[in-house]
Amino acid sequence: SAVISQKPSRDICQRGTSLTIQCQVDSQVTMMFWYRQQPGQSLTLIATANQGSEATYESGFVIDKFPISRPNLTFSTLTVSNMSPEDSSIYLCSVEGGGIHNEQFFGPGTRLTVL
Amino acid sequence: QKEVEQDPGPLSVPEGAIVSLNCTYSNSAFQYFMWYRQYSRKGPELLMYTYSSGNKEDGRFTAQVDKSSKYISLFIRDSQPSDSATYLCAMKYSSASKIIFGSGTRLSIRP
Repeated sequence: SAVISQKPSRDICQRGTSLTIQCQVDSQVTMMFWYRQQPGQSLTLIATANQGSEATYESGFVIDKFPISRPNLTFSTLTVSNMSPEDSSIYLCSVEGGGIHNEQFFGPGTRLTVL
Repeated sequence: QKEVEQDPGPLSVPEGAIVSLNCTYSNSAFQYFMWYRQYSRKGPELLMYTYSSGNKEDGRFTAQVDKSSKYISLFIRDSQPSDSATYLCAMKYSSASKIIFGSGTRLSIRP
């Protein structure tokens, strides 16, 4: 399985500001995913990021609020823009491991608190 | 109705007990079934991956899929305090489709 790191691991931010979360993978991967995990809730897919193309967003998530970059096959960023307390959550990066069933593996997550 | 239902717990059992974790789902089109383990302040870790029906065993862990009942289970034998974590069931329609997660069951193994 791929080794995935995220920065920052946690942050406390003020309402109205933006935070960019970085995801680094130790091998080249085609598809990267960004998830949100709110307290006591299941993981919710925000968007799928393919290198060289625009990210594909799930219903309820928009590019203006969660812009994503995917400059190469090992790196992606997710920005949480104009934050409100409702954005307080864990944000997780995920990649497909290349197995025959496209198993997905997750990074350690970024714990975001918005005051 | 949610696509995937999972009892949130918490579930507390003594060390050495057999643990049974379960999920039900509503859509019979799901073909791939997974269990993830998530320790506190960590990302989910893939534990078991099953295609279609049947059982799969890996050490102390057994995953069971009953497609006729739309029910999946994870059994942990000889449970250890290190098994204390949140367990998330997950499933998808095809190898290329997005994963649908349950809300997770918080498990605590008492020494």
